[in-house]
Amino acid sequence: ETGVTQSPTHLIKTRGQQVTLRCSSQSGHNTVSWYQQALGQGPQFIFQYYREEENGRGNFPPRFSGLQFPNYSSELNVNALELDDSALYLCASSLGVSGGNEQFFGPGTRLTVL
Amino acid sequence: AQSVTQLGSHVSVSEGALVLLRCNYSSSVPPYLFWYVQYPNQGLQLLLKYTTGATLVKGINGFEAEFKKSETSFHLTKPSAHMSDAAEYFCAVSDPMGRRALTFGSGTRLQVQP
Repeated sequence: ETGVTQSPTHLIKTRGQQVTLRCSSQSGHNTVSWYQQALGQGPQFIFQYYREEENGRGNFPPRFSGLQFPNYSSELNVNALELDDSALYLCASSLGVSGGNEQFFGPGTRLTVL
Repeated sequence: AQSVTQLGSHVSVSEGALVLLRCNYSSSVPPYLFWYVQYPNQGLQLLLKYTTGATLVKGINGFEAEFKKSETSFHLTKPSAHMSDAAEYFCAVSDPMGRRALTFGSGTRLQVQP
């Protein structure tokens, strides 16, 4: 059974650029959630996708957008990058949207914005 | 709105000593509760969770936590610390009735001294 994978591992961008992060969910999981973890802080919820539809969004501006594909993999897109976007971006997959379902986390993508 | 408070950003114990990591939550409804561990440069791994039923929950690696509704707490304990327990620990909650995303605390870094 393949776990959650994310690519790339590390990324360096400059302010104003756009970035796309990718996530492959664990086999059989139809729900993907994205979190931003700034240095020294806990992860913060960005949004969740369930069966290719957005199923909830945290307190992030519209320049953070996402997609989920028919195979349940997902992308996180961030436009007009700001310095404060520097963080570890975590993807988590689960089966269904019940709050009690375990979310399986990938290793994350570390984004640095200069 | 839900929130999580983890008292003590850093906790240091001796190998073999009791581990106690504190977590208090605020929620308008009885939440689901989780503890995750994060090792350096890795994603989050679920240690244990409480959804319903028995309030004392046992998890992996000898950890357990007790849900105390009257104290709005979900403290994590382990009777005897091991060097391999050194990591960052996050308490999280989710709302069973609403958005299923996880709300995390700011984390507690556990250091285990030989």
